[in-house]
Parts: sequence; structure tokens; C-alpha cells
Amino acid sequence: GQNIDQPTEMTATEGAIVQINCTYQTSGFNGLFWYQQHAGEAPTFLSYNVLDGLEEKGRFSSFLSRSKGYSYLLLKELQMKDSASYLCAVKRPGGYQKVTFGTGTKLQVIP
Amino acid sequence: GAVVSQHPSWVICKSGTSVKIECRSLDFQATTMFWYRQFPKQSLMLMATSNEGSKATYEQGVEKDKFLINHASLTLSTLTVTSAHPEDSSFYICSASGSSYEQYFGPGTRLTVT
Repeated sequence: GQNIDQPTEMTATEGAIVQINCTYQTSGFNGLFWYQQHAGEAPTFLSYNVLDGLEEKGRFSSFLSRSKGYSYLLLKELQMKDSASYLCAVKRPGGYQKVTFGTGTKLQVIP
Repeated sequence: GAVVSQHPSWVICKSGTSVKIECRSLDFQATTMFWYRQFPKQSLMLMATSNEGSKATYEQGVEKDKFLINHASLTLSTLTVTSAHPEDSSFYICSASGSSYEQYFGPGTRLTVT
């Protein structure tokens, strides 16, 4: 089965750092994505981790530990526009690039 | 980056009618397209996977006779919601994948069935 958990909501202050966690228990693993989704819009790609470790991309970093079934997305220097939902998604083995999405974390950035 | 469009962006239809949603990859050839459904305050749920020229593969619990998917070319896939009912009201999002690992998402279609 596929079980991907994230906190439902988080609040953080503008300029601060926030870490959004994702734990997964899936039948097979081929990589983990993080997407950002503003209300009423489609998700946009943030990061993709296949190997353990930290991947940094500007203000956003993503970490993966395959042995622990754990990932996090780190957002630095938070801006008001970062208020959105953040979706963790696990790529399934096999063809067709199928992914299973987590429950999503709604982040609110406050002044 | 790659661009995926969806049409229409929103649609209102009466219960019992059918609605067709188009998904197009504008600047790349999409060997695989995915259709997702998202209810308010919930995450994306994969409905089906379609490959150009072959039958779609539906996820467990998704009625293939109700949600008809056609992937006639490498740039176009369509989802037809047949005999729509109010419980089918949702945000439908397509994504397209080419040769890389990444999926490119369309802007979504909000369907309201009255």
C-alpha cells in the first residue's frame, strides 16, 4: 500500500525558516518529489530526491533518508508568497512515472 | 520549462450530461499523461494513466466507463466525465511526462455539476 503523511497545517513568520516533514511507507520507492500548490492552481515542481542527503536549490532545500522513509522540505528567508500547500509525492517503481501524493501541508506565512 | 494546457479552465454542467476536458502538451511530446482529481482541502488523487495509442490504466476504485480517457496523439489527452453527478464536482488536473522523470502539470479544470 501507499501511506504518505505530512502535517496538515503550519504557520511561520516572514523571514524565518520552516521545515515541512514527510514520512512514507510505500510498496516500492523510486524517488521523492516536492511540489508547491497555490489555492486553485496546479502544482509546480520544487525538487526531486533519489539518493539520501540534502539537495539545495536557492531558498529551498530537500532532504531524503530512504532507510527512515523520511523527507523534509526546508524553506529559508520566508516570503509572504510562500504561503501555499506543499505536497510530497513518492514515485512508484515501474514505468510511466506514476507518483502517489501525500496529504499536503498548508503553510501560512505571517508578517 | 515545458508547458501543459487544459481546456476549459472551469465548467458548469447539469446532472446527467457529459463533459470533456482537454489536456495538451504545448512544446514537448508527452508519451504519458496522467489525470488527477482533487477535492477541496485534499491532495491529488491519481485517477488514470494514459499512453499515446493505448488504453488508459485506471487506479483502483475509478470507474473506467464513467471517466473515459483518450490519448490520441503525443500532445493531446482527453477526459470525458459521462453522466456527471454533483459528487463528480471537483478540480481535475492533468500532467504530462516526456523523457525525463518530471511531470508537468496543467492549470486544472474546475467542474461543477448542478
